Amino acid sequence: DARVTQTPRHKVTEMGQEVTMRCQPILGHNTVFWYRQTMMQGLELLAYFRNRAPLDDSGMPKDRFSAEMPDATLATLKIQPSEPRDSAVYFCASRQGWNQPQHFGDGTRLSIL
Amino acid sequence: DQQVKQNSPSLSVQEGRISILNCDYTNSMFDYFLWYKKYPAEGPTFLISISSIKDKNEDGRFTVFLNKSAKHLSLHIVPSQPGDSAVYFCAANSGGSNYKLTFGKGTLLTVNP
Repeated sequence: DARVTQTPRHKVTEMGQEVTMRCQPILGHNTVFWYRQTMMQGLELLAYFRNRAPLDDSGMPKDRFSAEMPDATLATLKIQPSEPRDSAVYFCASRQGWNQPQHFGDGTRLSIL
Repeated sequence: DQQVKQNSPSLSVQEGRISILNCDYTNSMFDYFLWYKKYPAEGPTFLISISSIKDKNEDGRFTVFLNKSAKHLSLHIVPSQPGDSAVYFCAANSGGSNYKLTFGKGTLLTVNP
């Protein structure tokens, strides 16, 4: 089965450091999503792209978060500078078209000390 | 404002019995609903979906029921198996050009042998 691949699976770093998370969507999927999961908020949508173009990033703190799709096989989520409140699990998902289910990667567990 | 609510944080059932997970929503524009299952340290996995033009969809042991007038959906698992123990998320989409999924906070199902 095709899967969404996320790297790294775990990241521990100190406050103020830059963090980059990567996602390889399923081949042929034209929509990519970034989510953050915390105990308090559950799964929150941060941003999503269709055909590599950003459609909505209203869920992201604009001053420190950025999301890009350099090509169809790679999506990145960057945090600079990172803060302890950014500690969470970040999921990437991809989908082939609207009203198709999103397929999730296994996430990046981020800890900011 | 939580548009998708799963009011039971946890549910425990005996193996072989029926598991019923519930979900309520407030946005009448939602027209496509999904259930995801999540194991620890993995991403959510798509389980089953239903369009608002239907009131029931079945896939093996899993059946989703939709009551549009009550803005309520439920997932029935019959018979429940220990391997079904996971967190179940309800999600909703308003379709059209809106690619967003809104997730509930999840229900932890434990199936006891």
